[in-house]
Amino acid sequence: GENVEQHPSTLSVQEGDSAVIKCTYSDSASNYFPWYKQELGKGPQLIIDIRSNVGEKKDQRIAVTLNKTAKHFSLHITETQPEDSAVYFCAASINNNDMRFGAGTRLTVKP
Amino acid sequence: DAMVIQNPRYQVTQFGKPVTLSCSQTLNHNVMYWYQQKSSQAPKLLFHYYDKDFNNEADTPDNFQSRRPNTSFCFLDIRSPGLGDAAMYLCATSRDIGGDQPQHFGDGTRLSIL
Repeated sequence: GENVEQHPSTLSVQEGDSAVIKCTYSDSASNYFPWYKQELGKGPQLIIDIRSNVGEKKDQRIAVTLNKTAKHFSLHITETQPEDSAVYFCAASINNNDMRFGAGTRLTVKP
Repeated sequence: DAMVIQNPRYQVTQFGKPVTLSCSQTLNHNVMYWYQQKSSQAPKLLFHYYDKDFNNEADTPDNFQSRRPNTSFCFLDIRSPGLGDAAMYLCATSRDIGGDQPQHFGDGTRLSIL
């Protein structure tokens, strides 16, 4: 089955700096890569996703890149704000019932 | 407006006492999922319903059961909770089972076992 590794496990940045979280996956058949943000006491919220036929996608301050050859994908947050502080999970799936999550990255943005 | 609603948000039960968690959705999605999330860990899929078809993950303990009486509602039953079952339980939905369907999560029920 699919195995997703996520790094780093914790990340601390100054407000206004960029943050990058990286994930690798094992199954080359994976074709969908969502990123979720989970705030304390809440469920994961989808913030951006990318499909295997696209190399990059951007939504305001958030961007995701996908390298299918190397089987890795990354989340980039620019101009970070304190409200970006949360746990971020990457995931990879072939079919939705086989979605595998990374272990999560706790991002802290210091004002 | 919340689209995947989980009740209650916090549930306390006694060791071995059956407990039921509920999830409802206003998205009219075909697929509903139950995940278990322990502290500082990723969500772990327990099972999912594709319409009325129930699909159990191979490593989900028999202690966990689920019911989906209609499109909108899904329940998680824990027959004899043990201390190791204390966790956040997340419900999610997706429109279909295809590989590129986003999952929409509720805010979870945090289960404590006394």
